[in-house]
Amino acid sequence: DAGVIQSPRHEVTEMGQEVTLRCKPISGHNSLFWYRQTMMRGLELLIYFNNNVPIDDSGMPEDRFSAKMPNASFSTLKIQPSEPRDSAVYFCASRYRDGGEQYFGPGTRLTVT
Amino acid sequence: AQKITQTQPGMFVQEKEAVTLDCTYDTSDPSYGLFWYKQPSSGEMIFLIYQGSYDQQNATEGRYSLNFQKARKSANLVISASQLGDSAMYFCAMNTGWRANQAGTALIFGKGTTLSVSS
Repeated sequence: DAGVIQSPRHEVTEMGQEVTLRCKPISGHNSLFWYRQTMMRGLELLIYFNNNVPIDDSGMPEDRFSAKMPNASFSTLKIQPSEPRDSAVYFCASRYRDGGEQYFGPGTRLTVT
Repeated sequence: AQKITQTQPGMFVQEKEAVTLDCTYDTSDPSYGLFWYKQPSSGEMIFLIYQGSYDQQNATEGRYSLNFQKARKSANLVISASQLGDSAMYFCAMNTGWRANQAGTALIFGKGTTLSVSS
């Protein structure tokens, strides 16, 4: 079975550009999560969808970040405009049962110069 | 407030020995789940083991076991018979608040412990 799929795997962009990260969760999973990992802050939640509805977006840093989940098999995380402090690894994860384990995608390593 | 604490930045063990990675947690919610993830140098996050707050028995998955001490709010990971491939960063994580008709929270993570296994 395919795991969580993320694209691109690596993204290098210049400050001010728009960046879109994509995620396809595991089929049948009803929750999707976006996390960010940095050396300074560790792993932190950005936003969490349950049945395609945003449940918790308290981790979204500011208005420059937005996320959508138009259907059960696709989600995007957009940063516009990007800044060097957005450089991090962005993980998407999905979960098939409430309270259960999450399965992570391979991550997108974003570098903003 | 929910919190996960991992106090060991690094641990060193020889092949075939057992190792315990410490994790303490803090929550006032009676419904919570505790998880361990492995992150090798390649960067992916690999789910290892899960313990629910109402589970009576400690969870086990192959060489991994979770030493769950509810009164002490600890959820230590025990790896038996360490292998070179166990060298990685290990994260303890928790979610809370899940119950009938409530999906609960996302995961909160500790800062991680780097395990180095030598031959």
